Amino acid sequence: AQSVTQLGSHVSVSEGALVLLRCNYSSSVPPYLFWYVQYPNQGLQLLLKYTTGATLVKGINGFEAEFKKSETSFHLTKPSAHMSDAAEYFCAVSQRTGRRALTFGSGTRLQVQP
Amino acid sequence: GAVVSQHPSRVICKSGTSVKIECRSLDFQATTMFWYRQFPKQSLMLMATSNEGSKATYEQGVEKDKFLINHASLTLSTLTVTSAHPEDSSFYICSARAGEAFFGQGTRLTVV
Repeated sequence: AQSVTQLGSHVSVSEGALVLLRCNYSSSVPPYLFWYVQYPNQGLQLLLKYTTGATLVKGINGFEAEFKKSETSFHLTKPSAHMSDAAEYFCAVSQRTGRRALTFGSGTRLQVQP
Repeated sequence: GAVVSQHPSRVICKSGTSVKIECRSLDFQATTMFWYRQFPKQSLMLMATSNEGSKATYEQGVEKDKFLINHASLTLSTLTVTSAHPEDSSFYICSARAGEAFFGQGTRLTVV
């Protein structure tokens, strides 16, 4: 079984400030890790993913995340927030084999203040 | 990237009627598609895995007779909410894999 915990259902930052969204996972075997963004009434867009190799993963729109196995974490960061970053962010995991359905965290709503 | 198209984007139906939601992979074939449900301000919960040419696999607690899934071709899966009730009102999202998972735009179902 696997699970995802996102600390903080709401995060508010000022435009230009650092964005940090936290994600911890639990899995019996090393999973694949993902961050998705969702805008209102829309589907999900993949920001970045970790499968293997380098633990610091760069994604779209200036986001990056670091896989820390010892901490079972995959926190999402962006050095400088933009107003357009305001959205809902979901961390997700999947198994490496089999049907690889995604298990999502509860989501974090990011607000960016001018 | 690959495109998954979901239709309709919004639907309002009366209690007791059935609603069909389509999920198409436009530029790739998908033997497996996934259906998720999202309640307001909550996360996505996997409902079922749709398998082309065979029965869908439902998650625990999901009524297979209420949420009928048909995956008749490699590019189309449908979810039919039968005898809909207000508590079925939700946002339904499908996804298909082309390497990574791609998501449809979602369907907002409102049952009145």
